[in-house]
Amino acid sequence: DTAVSQTPKYLVTQMGNDKSIKCEQNLGHDTMYWYKQDSKKFLKIMFSYNNKELIINETVPNRFSPKSPDKAHLNLHINSLELGDSAVYFCASRTTGELFFGEGSRLTVL
Amino acid sequence: LAKTTQPISMDSYEGQEVNITCSHNNIATNDYITWYQQFPSQGPRFIIQGYKTKVTNEVASLFIPADRKSSTLSLPRVSLSDTAVYYCLVGDEDSSASKIIFGSGTRLSIRP
Repeated sequence: DTAVSQTPKYLVTQMGNDKSIKCEQNLGHDTMYWYKQDSKKFLKIMFSYNNKELIINETVPNRFSPKSPDKAHLNLHINSLELGDSAVYFCASRTTGELFFGEGSRLTVL
Repeated sequence: LAKTTQPISMDSYEGQEVNITCSHNNIATNDYITWYQQFPSQGPRFIIQGYKTKVTNEVASLFIPADRKSSTLSLPRVSLSDTAVYYCLVGDEDSSASKIIFGSGTRLSIRP
């Protein structure tokens, strides 16, 4: 059983489109995160939700809108995609202690 | 938030012990020190965590001096499969609201 799963794993799209990435965790964790890893491999925190409530928003453009329908899911919707949005997006979860990451979703904007 | 500094890259050979040191001069009293490993095309994976002195598990050891301003991840007898990026983080692990910040990491390359 995959602990943190993301879909899709790969996403190729045109500039200006809107896309979503879904994340689900079956670990019973309270907190979920989205991280962005760019071509230079820096991992940057974007958002964090605790029990469906937004607790961290790292000055991400408002084209990015996270949504947490329940504490096991945290989806990321991106409007009006730009070239600079190309990256690998990682979902993660924890309650306290270690973070558990998904396998990542590679987004390529053409 | 405590910032961490670690070498950008390191090289070693199979069978050697590898030590990666991380500097965190402004670590707070409640902060723990945590190391993650990331292979290409995968998410980071927890390796080890400590607060002070020495912690050892089946994968690595973590050495933390008394002042806690640095820490050293020790990988015994590395193999090719240990080639990865290693991240050192400090933060309040007891808070679910902690902002967990990753630094630039150390790219470890193991040669035959």
